[in-house]
Amino acid sequence: GAVVSQHPSRVICKSGTSVKIECRSLDFQATTMFWYRQFPKQSLMLMATSNEGSKATYEQGVEKDKFLINHASLTLSTLTVTSAHPEDSSFYICSASLTGTGDTEAFFGQGTRLTVV
Amino acid sequence: QKEVEQNSGPLSVPEGAIASLNCTYSDRGSQSFFWYRQYSGKSPELIMFIYSNGDKEDGRFTAQLNKASQYVSLLIRDSQPSDSATYLCAANNFNKFYFGSGTKLNVKP
Repeated sequence: GAVVSQHPSRVICKSGTSVKIECRSLDFQATTMFWYRQFPKQSLMLMATSNEGSKATYEQGVEKDKFLINHASLTLSTLTVTSAHPEDSSFYICSASLTGTGDTEAFFGQGTRLTVV
Repeated sequence: QKEVEQNSGPLSVPEGAIASLNCTYSDRGSQSFFWYRQYSGKSPELIMFIYSNGDKEDGRFTAQLNKASQYVSLLIRDSQPSDSATYLCAANNFNKFYFGSGTKLNVKP
């Protein structure tokens, strides 16, 4: 399957600082990428859709000024958690979709465990 | 968020038995449905997807879809301890994936 690489895998930051997470599609071009957040023992919650060359589309309840998304190229999307607080501590996962002959499949990055102290 | 519902479990089955995982979805506009397996602290990995009513088999796994009932299931035959994980059901709506909360499966040796 296609490969999506996410970096870093773990990050610890101080409250009030910003953290950038990168998501790269390594062997295909992804015009659209998705960002999810997962709290312990809960499901993946779609935060936003990242569109190459245009503004991201945020799901209801997700603060766009706090979670800045930049899709600079067909292989790279970044999520910046601005002015992070302890309640932002979570597992953040990106995915990119690839449409094949059958259907669209989502390929996930390895995830980023963010801890805000 | 489009709702996808799963029983959180845990579902415990003995090794070699059939594990049955169920999922319902609320949005009739969902086009296809996916089953992912997620180990603790890891990203989900795809098991299989289905978009037509009926059954789809892949090795030990069978996905079943009933669009009229808005119901999706995953059967795992000959369950192995290595199948112990959380299984996520996802509905695809215009390339957006909406996930259920997952069902934790324990396969006991």
